Amino acid sequence: QKEVEQDPGPLSVPEGAIVSLNCTYSNSAFQYFMWYRQYSRKGPELLMYTYSSGNKEDGRFTAQVDKSSKYISLFIRDSQPSDSATYLCAMSLGNQFYFGTGTSLTVIP
Amino acid sequence: EAQVTQNPRYLITVTGKKLTVTCSQNMNHEYMSWYRQDPGLGLRQIYYSMNVEVTDKGDVPEGYKVSRKEKRNFPLILESPSPNQTSLYFCASSSDRYNQPQHFGDGTRLSIL
Repeated sequence: QKEVEQDPGPLSVPEGAIVSLNCTYSNSAFQYFMWYRQYSRKGPELLMYTYSSGNKEDGRFTAQVDKSSKYISLFIRDSQPSDSATYLCAMSLGNQFYFGTGTSLTVIP
Repeated sequence: EAQVTQNPRYLITVTGKKLTVTCSQNMNHEYMSWYRQDPGLGLRQIYYSMNVEVTDKGDVPEGYKVSRKEKRNFPLILESPSPNQTSLYFCASSSDRYNQPQHFGDGTRLSIL
């Protein structure tokens, strides 16, 4: 069983839709939870990170962590074509990091 | 401009021929790390470094070496590459106290024949 599970998609939504991306994990010792965006032929870009259960908002993005269910989500409001990318979740244990396989998102104009 | 620079971007080589992928950052970051990205497996951490002369293994260190002689540079060394090391490699750095990889290079695509 992988430490971090993420549905690969692909996910296709119309412009303006609310997007929900999710990951589950098995190790309850994970400390920090991150979301990255990766455009084709580029390195990942850190979007958000959080430590505790609950919600954290940054502009159109909201990261949600539910430690009791070992489940994290990223919500994108008013999605734009420029949001089309692969989204990776990641979790940390000390100085080690564990990534999901990524969800491919396409926002259609 | 804040940058993590990897070289080469692409390399095709043969089994057993030693190679080095360089990584340099211009942000004076202490934490640097290497990852490989494979379809269906995602990003996996190979090695990381907390500071000069301080390195440690990540999740998949077998077949790789690293060194951190200067703060800005963190090369990845494959002493005897094998075909199962064919992958897309990323270097990352971070200034955050919790060391989440913040800045990634654009990747190095290695093909080992």
